[in-house]
Amino acid sequence: QVHLQQSGPGLVKPSQTLSLTCAISGDSVSRNSGAWNWVRQSPSRGLEWLGRTFFKSKWYREYALSVKDRITVDPDTSRNQFSLQLHSVTPDDTAVYYCAASNEGGDFDYWDKGTLVNVSS
Amino acid sequence: QSILTQPPSLSADPGQKVTISCSGRRSNIGNNYVAWYQQLPGIAPKLVIYEDDKRPSGVPDRFSASKSDTSATLAITGLQTGDEAEYFCGTWDTTLETELFGGGTKLTVL
Repeated sequence: QVHLQQSGPGLVKPSQTLSLTCAISGDSVSRNSGAWNWVRQSPSRGLEWLGRTFFKSKWYREYALSVKDRITVDPDTSRNQFSLQLHSVTPDDTAVYYCAASNEGGDFDYWDKGTLVNVSS
Repeated sequence: QSILTQPPSLSADPGQKVTISCSGRRSNIGNNYVAWYQQLPGIAPKLVIYEDDKRPSGVPDRFSASKSDTSATLAITGLQTGDEAEYFCGTWDTTLETELFGGGTKLTVL
C-alpha cells in the first residue's frame, strides 16, 4: 500500500515560488513503472494535472502546457520523495495541491490528502 | 471549459441506477485508457475505475464502466447515500501530451 505525505507552506506571496514535497512510503520513487504526479484543484480550473516524473532507464519529467515555462518536478532518491516548484505565482495559482501516484496504465491510484496553497500578499 | 465533457450534475433516488457520461476526442478517450474518480466532499479523489472498465479491489461491483469510440460512461447501480459525491473522468491526451480530467459531475442521491 502506497502512502503519500505532502509538506510545504500554505501561503505564498505573488511572484514568489511555490514549493511542495511529497514523501513516499510503501514504494520507491525510482520504480520502473508508473509515475509521480502533481495535480491541483480550484473552483475556476477544476482538476488540473501539472506534471510528473518517472524513471525508465533514466529520469523523465513531463509538464502541462499551461505551466510548462515555470514548473519543475524533481525526484529525490536519497529521501524517496519528489517535489514541485512553481515559479512566479499569481493569485490564480491558489488551489488545493495534490501529489499522486499513477500506475503503468496512467491511472492515479494513490493520492495524498491535499494541501490548500493560497497565493496572497 | 474542460476538453472532457461531463454533465455538471445528476440526481437519483436510492436504489436506482445512474449513468455519467464523459465525451472527448480521438486524441484522448479514443486512443487511451479512461479512469473514473470519486471525490467525497473535502477528501482527495479516489480511483473507482481504471483501464476503461476495471475496478480496483475494494470498489463495489455496483460500479461499472464502458467506453465506445470517443465517449466513456460510468454506471452506478443500487445507489446509496454514500455514493453522493463528485465524479471525474480522466485520460491522457496524445496530441496535447497532457493528462486531462473532466469537469466533474456532482451526484446527488435524494
